[in-house]
Amino acid sequence: KNQVEQSPQSLIILEGKNCTLQCNYTVSPFSNLRWYKQDTGRGPVSLTIMTFSENTKSNGRYTATLDADTKQSSLHITASQLSDSASYICVVSDTGTASKLTFGTGTRLQVTL
Amino acid sequence: DGGITQSPKYLFRKEGQNVTLSCEQNLNHDAMYWYRQDPGQGLRLIYYSQIVNDFQKGDIAEGYSVSREKKESFPLTVTSAQKNPTAFYLCASSIGGTSGPRYQETQYFGPGTRLLVL
Repeated sequence: KNQVEQSPQSLIILEGKNCTLQCNYTVSPFSNLRWYKQDTGRGPVSLTIMTFSENTKSNGRYTATLDADTKQSSLHITASQLSDSASYICVVSDTGTASKLTFGTGTRLQVTL
Repeated sequence: DGGITQSPKYLFRKEGQNVTLSCEQNLNHDAMYWYRQDPGQGLRLIYYSQIVNDFQKGDIAEGYSVSREKKESFPLTVTSAQKNPTAFYLCASSIGGTSGPRYQETQYFGPGTRLLVL
C-alpha cells in the first residue's frame, strides 16, 4: 500500500530561525513529489513539484530536496516568518496524474515571536 | 480574478438530509476533484472528473454523488447514506485532459467547505 509519512507532526520555532520538515514515502512506481502549504481553514497551495530527476527545487524561502534512492524528501524554510505558520503537506504521485496522489498527514508549523 | 470558489463556507446537515456543496472554477481546467480532510488524516479522494459529462469514483465515494454538466462546475452531494459526513471538503482542479505535461500537473484548491451535522 502506498504511504507517505511526515515528521515531525508539529513544530514550534522562533521567527527568523530556519527549520526542516521531513517526508518519507513508499509509493511505487514514483512519478513526482509535491509540497503544499495549508493555512488553517483554507485550501492547500502548491509550493514545489519535483520529478525523480530533480533533487532540489526552490520557491523563495522554501527549498525542497528529493532523494529518490532512499525515498525521502525534505522542505527547508529559511528565515521563518509569522506567515509561515501553517500545515505543510507532502504528496506523492505514482502515475503523474493528479487523480493518483497519496497525501501525508502534514506537519503543523507554528512560528512565534 | 481566476481561481476556484466553494460555497458555502460552513454547512449544517440534519440527519437524513442530502446537502450539496458547490465548486466553480474559471481556470479553464478540464479536471476537477473532491477531497475530504479529517483531523490527523491525509486528504482522501472522493470523486474526480477528467472531462465534462464524465466522472470516476475515488477511494471513499460511498455516500456521495457528483455531476459534471459544465466544465466550470463540479457539485458534490453528501447523501443520507454517508453516516459520518462531518469533515472539511476541498475541491481542486488541474489542467488535466488528454494531453499536456501530466507529470507536472499542479492541483489548485478551493477554500473549502466545513460540513457539520446537527
